[in-house]
Amino acid sequence: DQQVKQNSPSLSVQEGRISILNCDYTNSMFDYFLWYKKYPAEGPTFLISISSIKDKNEDGRFTVFLNKSAKHLSLHIVPSQPGDSAVYFCAASQRTGTASKLTFGTGTRLQVTL
Amino acid sequence: NAGVTQTPKFQVLKTGQSMTLQCAQDMNHNSMYWYRQDPGMGLRLIYYSASEGTTDKGEVPNGYNVSRLNKREFSLRLESAAPSQTSVYFCASSVVWDSSHEQYFGPGTRLTVT
Repeated sequence: DQQVKQNSPSLSVQEGRISILNCDYTNSMFDYFLWYKKYPAEGPTFLISISSIKDKNEDGRFTVFLNKSAKHLSLHIVPSQPGDSAVYFCAASQRTGTASKLTFGTGTRLQVTL
Repeated sequence: NAGVTQTPKFQVLKTGQSMTLQCAQDMNHNSMYWYRQDPGMGLRLIYYSASEGTTDKGEVPNGYNVSRLNKREFSLRLESAAPSQTSVYFCASSVVWDSSHEQYFGPGTRLTVT
């Protein structure tokens, strides 16, 4: 039973346009949501996160929106650049003592074309 | 600054063989994690260690054991490898009270069990 879902396996966007990646979750106990970027043969790298008590967080070209009532979050990349081409994973966090357990979606492959 | 390092990068095992995957971090993080990633799936948590001296099961712990050797090192052992354990294994670490819940990932170990 997938608690975090990314329903679009791939997305193609022209350079300079906006990329919107979506993520849905089912568990109301998640207290933080994160986006990771992954290149082939490398580990995931952190992009941006948002607390469950907020609805927007912005960092440069990256903005994450959280709609808690719909259990939905999205990552906006504006403007998209060719270097943004990678697989993007949505992850949801549950604090357990002093650690955080992450539950990942299956990823969306973003291709930014010239 | 090396961050999170993993050895080996690649490994091929025969069914029934054993091996230990090594992970070390130099960021003075308290918590460490082991994930696996299978094709078309997100990362899934195998085991984690909230602090030195503690370990706990994640989502998919069967067939694995872990050791938190000290604050820096967290190893994952396969006692009797099975083809279903063919996967890419990622180690990660995090600070205790990071406001973003960010985990820092290593480059991964690609394991094939024949």
